[in-house]
Amino acid sequence: EDQVTQSPEALRLQEGESSSLNCSYTVSGLRGLFWYRQDPGKGPEFLFTLYSAGEEKEKERLKATLTKKESFLHITAPKPEDSATYLCAGPNQAGTALIFGKGTTLSVSS
Amino acid sequence: DVKVTQSSRYLVKRTGEKVFLECVQDMDHENMFWYRQDPGLGLRLIYFSYDVKMKEKGDIPEGYSVSREKKERFSLILESASTNQTSMYLCASSKTREGEQYFGPGTRLTVT
Repeated sequence: EDQVTQSPEALRLQEGESSSLNCSYTVSGLRGLFWYRQDPGKGPEFLFTLYSAGEEKEKERLKATLTKKESFLHITAPKPEDSATYLCAGPNQAGTALIFGKGTTLSVSS
Repeated sequence: DVKVTQSSRYLVKRTGEKVFLECVQDMDHENMFWYRQDPGLGLRLIYFSYDVKMKEKGDIPEGYSVSREKKERFSLILESASTNQTSMYLCASSKTREGEQYFGPGTRLTVT
């Protein structure tokens, strides 16, 4: 079964405490992996696309990296405004749609 | 910037009513999608469309139908709303089938 699994489900950090979120993808043949940020009551906001193992993308305090079967979202020196749910997604085997993980809910306290 | 808009942010309907949720995108994207999002279940695909007048069932199409008469507009129809269809409904569009999707703000539907 095509799967995208994210861990941990929830993460609490102090402001400035760096950490990483994990996304594993079981569909054979990587054809792109996507990261989104979702604030409560809003639609997901697109952050990054990664296509190749070894690829990295950065935006402010966020850096996404990709291996053959996993992606990491590294958060460096987070601030309270980084608090959100982070979703990752990848194409299903048929290439007809994206499969979304259930997300990691990040809370950053000051 | 890609913009996806949805007709309502909040909607309250009664059991048995026919409900229309509309989605419009302004980036000339071929592909459009409807999801529902529930706590603990994540995003689940209801229907998608690759072209005008074309539709494909997603993972949970039962109780829903869709319409795509124009490229920019994709409508989700609840033929007879039920309380288990209370949820957040999200519309998305993408340029390519496997490419990044851009989401609308969502419609929080409550069926009483």
